[in-house]
Order: sequence, then C-alpha cells, then structure tokens
Amino acid sequence: KQEVTQIPAALSVPEGENLVLNCSFTDSAIYNLQWFRQDPGKGLTSLLLIQSSQREQTSGRLNASLDKSSGRSTLYIAASQPGDSATYLCAVQMIKAAGNKLTFGGGTRVLVKP
Amino acid sequence: GAVVSQHPSRVICKSGTSVKIECRSLDFQATTMFWYRQFPKQSLMLMATSNEGSKATYEQGVEKDKFLINHASLTLSTLTVTSAHPEDSSFYICSARSSAFGQAFFGQGTRLTVV
Repeated sequence: KQEVTQIPAALSVPEGENLVLNCSFTDSAIYNLQWFRQDPGKGLTSLLLIQSSQREQTSGRLNASLDKSSGRSTLYIAASQPGDSATYLCAVQMIKAAGNKLTFGGGTRVLVKP
Repeated sequence: GAVVSQHPSRVICKSGTSVKIECRSLDFQATTMFWYRQFPKQSLMLMATSNEGSKATYEQGVEKDKFLINHASLTLSTLTVTSAHPEDSSFYICSARSSAFGQAFFGQGTRLTVV
C-alpha cells in the first residue's frame, strides 16, 4: 500500500526566504506526482505535475524535483511572499493498473510572515 | 486548465436528513470522478471512484449505503449523504478526470455541517 509523507507538517518563514517542502513515498511504481496548494476552506489548486519519467518541473518561482528511485520529491518556492501562505499537498498517482488513484500526503502548512 | 464546479460550497442540515452534493466538469467529459473527505487539518482521504455509467467503487471502510454516488453522465456526479449525523460533518471534495488528460482536476469543496 502506497504511503505518502510530508515533512515538515508546518513551516513559518519570514518574507523573502526560500521554502523547501519535502514529500516521500513508499512505492516507486508511480505514474506521476503532483503538488497542490490549498487555502483554508477551499479546494485544491494544482501547482506542478511531474511525470514518472521526468526529474523536475518549473513554473515561475516554483520548482519541483522528483527522484523516483529514492521515493522523494521536493517543492522549492523562491523568494517567498505572504500570499504563499497556504497548505501544500503532494499526491502520487499509481500506475494505471492500480486504478489511477491519487494518494495524498498529510500536507505542509506554510506561513510567510511579512 | 479544465474546470470542475462543485455545489453547494456550504450546507447545514439537521440530523437524519439527506444532503446531495453535485460535481460538474464544465468544459470536458469526465470519464472518472473521485470523491474525497477531509477532516480539519488532515489530508484528503479517497472515499470512492466512479466511472460514468457504472457503479462506484468504494474504499475500505466507506459505507456505500450511506454515501450514495451517482455518475449518470459524463459531466455530472453526485454524492448523497443519507441520514446524516454530526460525525458526517466534514469537507467533501470531488475531482474529475478524462481519458484525454493525465491528471484530475478538483472542485472547490463542500463544507457539510450536520446539527
């Protein structure tokens, strides 16, 4: 059974500092890995999706890396802003034979202080 | 990106009544829809997976007679919480996926409070 872990569970940084969020998974037979942002009481916004054959994806200040063999992904957010405050979730999608299910990590709650 | 609309965003109901939550894919055909439940400060837990025209597949521990899922068309799935109790109060989120996309898109979520 796939298990996804995110460390740390919470993170507080001053504005301008770079953020590093970690995600680990136990079963490397993944189809893809996705990072989401969730604001309080809201749904999920997809940030980056990395296919299993890729090593990283970038969008603006966000960069996500994937090391499938070691079961790890890292989300980097450069020059953090107060608007980056949210919960960040990573999720892995297993190979199609496993039903395309997403398994989520517990999330990292980020607070960027002005 | 593709848009998934979930309605209502918030609902309060009395114990013993039933509540229906709708999930619509607005600009694509969703061959598969997923329903999740999220407790405060916790992650999303998959409840069930539904394919258009088929019965939903429920995750272990989820009561299929309590959480009725209908996926009658390629753009609409509904989750009905029957005979709701206060412990059913939670945040419910749907996601929709088409065979053309490699990823699923999420609705805005529904906050259910049972009093």
